[in-house]
Amino acid sequence: DVKVTQSSRYLVKRTGEKVFLECVQDMDHENMFWYRQDPGLGLRLIYFSYDVKMKEKGDIPEGYSVSREKKERFSLILESASTNQTSMYLCASSLSQGLIEQYFGPGTRLTVT
Amino acid sequence: AQSVAQPEDQVNVAEGNPLTVKCTYSVSGNPYLFWYVQYPNRGLQFLLKYITGDNLVKGSYGFEAEFNKSQTSFHLKKPSALVSDSALYFCAVRDGTGGFKTIFGAGTRLFVKA
Repeated sequence: DVKVTQSSRYLVKRTGEKVFLECVQDMDHENMFWYRQDPGLGLRLIYFSYDVKMKEKGDIPEGYSVSREKKERFSLILESASTNQTSMYLCASSLSQGLIEQYFGPGTRLTVT
Repeated sequence: AQSVAQPEDQVNVAEGNPLTVKCTYSVSGNPYLFWYVQYPNRGLQFLLKYITGDNLVKGSYGFEAEFNKSQTSFHLKKPSALVSDSALYFCAVRDGTGGFKTIFGAGTRLFVKA
């Protein structure tokens, strides 16, 4: 079974702090994604990566950056956390061909105070 | 631009009755379509997908979905609902012409009453 793990289930940070969210997948997937989930808005894509060191902006990249130094790891960085970044953050991975559905981690609920 | 619409925020159905969760989409190329389910306090799980071929797709837990190209719809169905099907369901679309970006709908909450 594919396993996608996220470094924290719950995180509380202060406004202005730099925040790192880590995601690791164990199935050698090429693609990795970061979404935020907010009630009534569904999942919104922040960034995705289709290869090591490659990244593409999603629909809401402002205030976020990402890093993919190794194939299995995709990090989301909040450079200076703000209260409007309080949300559920979901990481996912997928193959590029064949079984292209995404496999999701359990999510990190981030609260910025 | 890709988009997905789930017109119902919530669907209520009695246990044993058939259920339908609606989804319409817009994409420039041929669509790859997906349904995911999220149980309380869990991540999203893949249910089924349409890539090509038969318009009726069968997936996990007895769910199926019908691809209708003329109506640009991909409704999720199950012949007999279970209380345990109560969850949040997301429809998603990816442009099949080469992009990796997947767009998700806002989600539909399904309540199955015993």
